[in-house]
Amino acid sequence: EAGVAQSPRYKIIEKRQSVAFWCNPISGHATLYWYQQILGQGPKLLIQFQNNGVVDDSQLPKDRFSAERLKGVDSTLKIQPAKLEDSAVYLCASRLAGGGTDTQYFGPGTRLTVL
Amino acid sequence: ILNVEQSPQSLHVQEGDSTNFTCSFPSSNFYALHWYRWETAKSPEALFVMTLNGDEKKKGRISATLNTKEGYSYLYIKGSQPEDSATYLCASGYNQGGKLIFGQGTELSVKP
Repeated sequence: EAGVAQSPRYKIIEKRQSVAFWCNPISGHATLYWYQQILGQGPKLLIQFQNNGVVDDSQLPKDRFSAERLKGVDSTLKIQPAKLEDSAVYLCASRLAGGGTDTQYFGPGTRLTVL
Repeated sequence: ILNVEQSPQSLHVQEGDSTNFTCSFPSSNFYALHWYRWETAKSPEALFVMTLNGDEKKKGRISATLNTKEGYSYLYIKGSQPEDSATYLCASGYNQGGKLIFGQGTELSVKP
């Protein structure tokens, strides 16, 4: 079974530039998550999708971050414009629809550096 | 604000040593506790999901226990090997929707 795919793996941009990350979840997984992991901290949930609907985006900085999950499969996360404090690893995870005890499967992440 | 704490932040051991880490979480409205291992440049790998007070899980040389009443979980590694070097994350879930609150991780380094 293929895992969660993410691209790019690394990205370096200047502040105020835009950047987009892509995630392809495990086939059949209805729930998709985007996390931000800043160095020295644990991953923080940015947004949760159930199929192509948003379930939780309470911690997404909506003035600069946006995310979509078209057709309930792939997802993109965009930052526009980027700030220095956005430097982090952006992790995508997916889960079978079901109870909260189901495992979340993670991709390898995108490491973003904002200069 | 829900806060999950892990200790220690980092740990350096010799090959063959046994070690353990702690994860502390708010016990009210607890739903599930997850442990992950995250090696550099790889995807975080799920180790355990635990829900019941007193639960114990084992996977090879790694085991975990859960105390939901006092809000803590221990992860044990018996006879550490260099390939165990990784960051170990715990995460607590508080609803059926699967939203997880992560600790900051324990970084383990095992020297040959």
